[in-house]
Amino acid sequence: YVLTQPPSVSVAPGETARISCGGTNIGTKSVHWYQQRPGQAPVLVIYYDTDRPSGIPERFSGSNSGNTATLTISRVDAGDEADYYCQVWDSGSDVFFGGGTKLTVL
Amino acid sequence: QLVESGGGLVQPGGSLRLSCAGSDFIVSDNYMSWVRQAPGKGLEWVSVIYSGGTIYYADSVKGRFTISRDISQNTVYLQMNSLRAEDTAIYYCTGSRNYFFQYWGQGTLVSVSS
Repeated sequence: YVLTQPPSVSVAPGETARISCGGTNIGTKSVHWYQQRPGQAPVLVIYYDTDRPSGIPERFSGSNSGNTATLTISRVDAGDEADYYCQVWDSGSDVFFGGGTKLTVL
Repeated sequence: QLVESGGGLVQPGGSLRLSCAGSDFIVSDNYMSWVRQAPGKGLEWVSVIYSGGTIYYADSVKGRFTISRDISQNTVYLQMNSLRAEDTAIYYCTGSRNYFFQYWGQGTLVSVSS
């Protein structure tokens, strides 16, 4: 199962960033999102399409429908600059990551 | 917390065993996975051991890697045999009670080179 992400997204501070994750009928699956800052381990920022772990700002939100899941980051600041990965766990052994999107804050 | 160890430099065809110790985290109550990241590349799932003991591997490592756990030591292991250059990566230990990767270790670097 292939998850397709844009290699890069650029936004100005204070604007809204939208990072897409495409897959066939992905809307029927649960999608999770991770943030990875340079030199650090990934951090879960959205799980089950729309839920936020404790400690993740409300500026982070997710949606999933049809063939596209989307991570939305509102009021972007320099601290949000990172790589973002979507992930699907289809069954026992079917675990997939998207290729990752580098978010640049201009 | 999850703390990995055991990474290092190994020659092609060699073996290495990674360890992941839980601190205030019960590994046997969780789905424990290894996820790796080659230099400058994205994330790749490697293997999982479910709380019930069922085990799965990615096709890229099947037959070469073995995941296991020691409940008394609260530790998960990844035995890596017949290592190849393409196995060079940071290996992260992860844990969760659900089908996503909630908790991550800091990672341990495995370099396969002659």
